[in-house]
This record gives sequence, C-alpha cells and structure tokens, in this order.
Amino acid sequence: KQEVTQIPAALSVPEGENLVLNCSFTDSAIYNLQWFRQDPGKGLTSLLLIQSSQREQTSGRLNASLDKSSGRSTLYIAASQPGDSATYLCAVSTSGTYKYIFGTGTRLKVLA
Amino acid sequence: GAVVSQHPSRVICKSGTSVKIECRSLDFQATTMFWYRQFPKQSLMLMATSNEGSKATYEQGVEKDKFLINHASLTLSTLTVTSAHPEDSSFYICSASDLQGFSGNTIYFGEGSWLTVV
Repeated sequence: KQEVTQIPAALSVPEGENLVLNCSFTDSAIYNLQWFRQDPGKGLTSLLLIQSSQREQTSGRLNASLDKSSGRSTLYIAASQPGDSATYLCAVSTSGTYKYIFGTGTRLKVLA
Repeated sequence: GAVVSQHPSRVICKSGTSVKIECRSLDFQATTMFWYRQFPKQSLMLMATSNEGSKATYEQGVEKDKFLINHASLTLSTLTVTSAHPEDSSFYICSASDLQGFSGNTIYFGEGSWLTVV
C-alpha cells in the first residue's frame, strides 16, 4: 500500500531564504507526482507535475525533482517570500489512474 | 485551461440533515471524478471514484450509504452526505479527468467545499 510522507511537517524561515521540502513514497511504481499548494480555508493549486520518466520540473522560483528508484521528491523554493506561506502537499498517482495518494503536508511560514 | 467547479464552497447544516455537494467540469467531459476528504490538519484521503453512468467505487472504510455519489452526466458528479453528524464536518474536494488516453496531466481539482455540521 502506497504511503506518502513529507518532512518537515512545519517550517518557518525568514524572507529570502532558499528552502527544500521533502516528499517520500514507499512504492516506486508511480505514474506521476504532483506538488500542490493549499492556502488556509482554500482549495488546491497545482504547482508542478512530474511524470515518472522525468527527473525534474521547473516553474518560476519552484523546482521539483523526482528520484523514483529511491522514492523521493523534493520541492525547491528559491528566494522565499511571505506570499509563499501555505501548506505544500505532494501526491503520487499509481497504476495509470488519476487516483492520488497525498502526503501529510508541510506547513510553510515565510517571515517578512 | 480546464476548470472544475464545486458548489457550495461552504455549507453549514444541522445534525441529521443531508447536504449535497456538486462537482462540475466546465469545459471538458469528465468520465471519471474523484472525491477526497480532508479532516483538520490532516492530508486528503480518497473517498471514492465516481464513474459516469455506473456505480461509484468506494475506498475501504468509506460508508457508501452515508456518502452517496451520483455521476449522472459527463460534467456533473454529486456527493450527498446523508444524516450528517458533527464528525462529518470536513473539507471535501473533487478532481476530474476525461481519462481518454491517460497522459497524467489532465487531472483538475475543484476549489473544495467546507462542510460544518452543527
């Protein structure tokens, strides 16, 4: 059974810092992995999608990497801003379906 | 881009009543929709897979008689929480895809619905 874990559970950093969020999954037979952002009381915003055949994806200040064999993904946020404060979720889909298993999330707070 | 809309975004209902949440795909036909639930400070858990024109497939531990799912058209799936209790208070969110040639990048999430049962 696929399990997705995110470390750290919470993170507080000063503005401007580069930071890394970690995601690990137990079953490497994934189809793709997505990183999402969730603001308090809001829905999900998809940030980056990495297919199983890809190593990384970039969007602006965000870079996500995927090491399927070791069951790990990282989300790198460059030059963090207070507006980046949110909960970041990673989710993996398996077996060619759109079913996603979500991680536990990392609550990020960027201090001005 | 494709949009999935959920309604209502927030709802408060009395204990014992039923409440319906709608999930609509606005500019594509969604043969499959997924319903997730998120309890406070926890991650999202898949509840069920909703297939147009057939019965939903529920995940283990989810009561199908309590969480009624109807996917009557290619653009609409509904989740009805029957005889709601305070412990059903949660964030419910749907996702949708056309599943025509799975490419892994045509999955869209709704905005979510906050349910509070008092």
